[in-house]
Amino acid sequence: AQSVTQLDSHVSVSEGTPVLLRCNYSSSYSPSLFWYVQHPNKGLQLLLKYTSAATLVKGINGFEAEFKKSETSFHLTKPSAHMSDAAEYFCVSYQAGTALIFGKGTTLSVSS
Amino acid sequence: NAGVTQTPKFQVLKTGQSMTLQCAQDMNHNSMYWYRQDPGMGLRLIYYSASEGTTDKGEVPNGYNVSRLNKREFSLRLESAAPSQTSVYFCASSNPLPGEQYFGPGTRLTVT
Repeated sequence: AQSVTQLDSHVSVSEGTPVLLRCNYSSSYSPSLFWYVQHPNKGLQLLLKYTSAATLVKGINGFEAEFKKSETSFHLTKPSAHMSDAAEYFCVSYQAGTALIFGKGTTLSVSS
Repeated sequence: NAGVTQTPKFQVLKTGQSMTLQCAQDMNHNSMYWYRQDPGMGLRLIYYSASEGTTDKGEVPNGYNVSRLNKREFSLRLESAAPSQTSVYFCASSNPLPGEQYFGPGTRLTVT
């Protein structure tokens, strides 16, 4: 069965420092993987997607993620955090013929 | 394009009352979804509609019904609201990749 585990429920960084949000997936086959962002009192917005093309995926607002099959990971990174990055981030897995699986979310706090 | 719209934005119900949450999308997407979001639980799928005229249960369908009125509209009905249905409800649509979803702004429902 598919599952998605976001390893940190809360990450705090200072503005201008790197961001790392960790996600591990479990699937019998290579799934499609996504990161979504949710700003306070807003709906979710797609940040980036992996669909078995390039393993390093670039998204919006300077975020990127690397698919590592050997580690079953799809961690989200950004070289330099901005105050506007403070939000909740969801790692999502999809496999054809099944439902989307959402991780429980990681709250990113950015301090000045 | 408005994307995905939801009405109402906020609602307070008494236990046992009924209501319908409305969702519409103007992106000509085939698939539409209803989720609920609760603290620490991520998003959980209530119902989805892969195409006009079809609906299927998701992870937490009990206490809800849906109608895919046409390609644009997908409504969620609570027949007899319970306090456990206090949540934020999101509608989403996608086409063609189910993982690449577009979300509405949400409806914050409180049942007292």
